[in-house]
Amino acid sequence: DTGVSQDPRHKITKRGQNVTFRCDPISEHNRLYWYRQTLGQGPEFLTYFQNEAQLEKSRLLSDRFSAERPKGSFSTLEIQRTEQGDSAMYLCASSGSGTGVSPLHFGNGTRLTVT
Amino acid sequence: DAKTTQPPSMDCAEGRAANLPCNHSTISGNEYVYWYRQIHSQGPQYIIHGLKNNETNEMASLIITEDRKSSTLILPHATLRDTAVYYCIVRALLGGGGADGLTFGKGTHLIIQP
Repeated sequence: DTGVSQDPRHKITKRGQNVTFRCDPISEHNRLYWYRQTLGQGPEFLTYFQNEAQLEKSRLLSDRFSAERPKGSFSTLEIQRTEQGDSAMYLCASSGSGTGVSPLHFGNGTRLTVT
Repeated sequence: DAKTTQPPSMDCAEGRAANLPCNHSTISGNEYVYWYRQIHSQGPQYIIHGLKNNETNEMASLIITEDRKSSTLILPHATLRDTAVYYCIVRALLGGGGADGLTFGKGTHLIIQP
């Protein structure tokens, strides 16, 4: 078990640029989640995949955000035309299926700074 | 998911047991209590979860009251590395749809004093 891996760990970009983050979940996990966390707050849910299907999106996920999980393994989160308000930690988590109470296991996140 | 209430911060002396309370008075019968912690600049780390029985693992113990309206996370011998924000979360069983993810509050900032 190598854990959830996220890349890059840090990203600095200028306002208006596009950025893409990658998440590699724990290999046998079929559920994958994206969260966003700003300073002093708990993580907030963005979106969720079961295998390759995106099953739920938060209202926080504006039209500039898109997430994919094309083969049901790794996932990408893209932010187009970044704004300063997008500066945050973007966290990915994965969990197994089955009983539905499998714990989510988080990566260490990608910290985005929009200048 | 039901809401939880936690104190914003707590101190504990190194080597002592840290007892972190959580109120979840509106918890439903199919909702589990989960605990996570987050050390600065890292992702949240799963600690333990339970439904109604007390649970123990290598990290901590979880004590859930009989009416399930509150719980306590116990770190038996706190070390400096246990300084973190601790989140108490209630989460429903997956019931045929929905994210079944986690709704985080602001948690308790536990500071272990040397």
